[in-house]
Amino acid sequence: EAGVVQSPRYKIIEKKQPVAFWCNPISGHNTLYWYLQNLGQGPELLIRYENEEAVDDSQLPKDRFSAERLKGVDSTLKIQPAELGDSAVYLCASSLEGAYGELFFGEGSRLTVL
Amino acid sequence: ELKVEQNPLFLSMQEGKNYTIYCNYSTTSDRLYWYRQDPGKSLESLFVLLSNGAVKQEGRLMASLDTKARLSTLHITAAVHDLSATYFCAVERDGTDKLIFGTGTRLQVFP
Repeated sequence: EAGVVQSPRYKIIEKKQPVAFWCNPISGHNTLYWYLQNLGQGPELLIRYENEEAVDDSQLPKDRFSAERLKGVDSTLKIQPAELGDSAVYLCASSLEGAYGELFFGEGSRLTVL
Repeated sequence: ELKVEQNPLFLSMQEGKNYTIYCNYSTTSDRLYWYRQDPGKSLESLFVLLSNGAVKQEGRLMASLDTKARLSTLHITAAVHDLSATYFCAVERDGTDKLIFGTGTRLQVFP
């Protein structure tokens, strides 16, 4: 069974440019998460989807970050414009039972903003 | 605000030795998770602990949960090099369905 797939794995951009990350969760998983992981730290939740509905986006910096999950499957996380402090790994995860279930993580998209 | 603290943050241990990683959290929760992360890789789920007194074992790793003490432990028995990784605990904040991760414990096992 395929795991959570993310792309691109690596992205280098200059500040003020836009960037987008894509995530395909495990088939059948209705809950999808985007996490931010800074170097040497644990992941921090940005947004959680139940199907196509964003049920928790309280930690998403809405002035520059946006996310969507059309049709309740794939998801895209966008940053526009990117800032130097956005350099981090963006992790996507999915689960079958909502937040009470076990999360399965993708390998992440590493963003470097110059 | 829920805070999750792990100690030690770094652990260098010799093969064959035993050691314990601790995860303390600041508010009530009945759900705790342990994950492993290899450098540049994804997080891999190790254990899901859903009640007070829960104990789970897989190979050389054993995890336990004491909700009254707000403490979970990850015990390593007879460490081997393949266990070298960063280990995270994550606690679900009561009533929010939100996981709060600890800062991680970086484990290095040497011969």
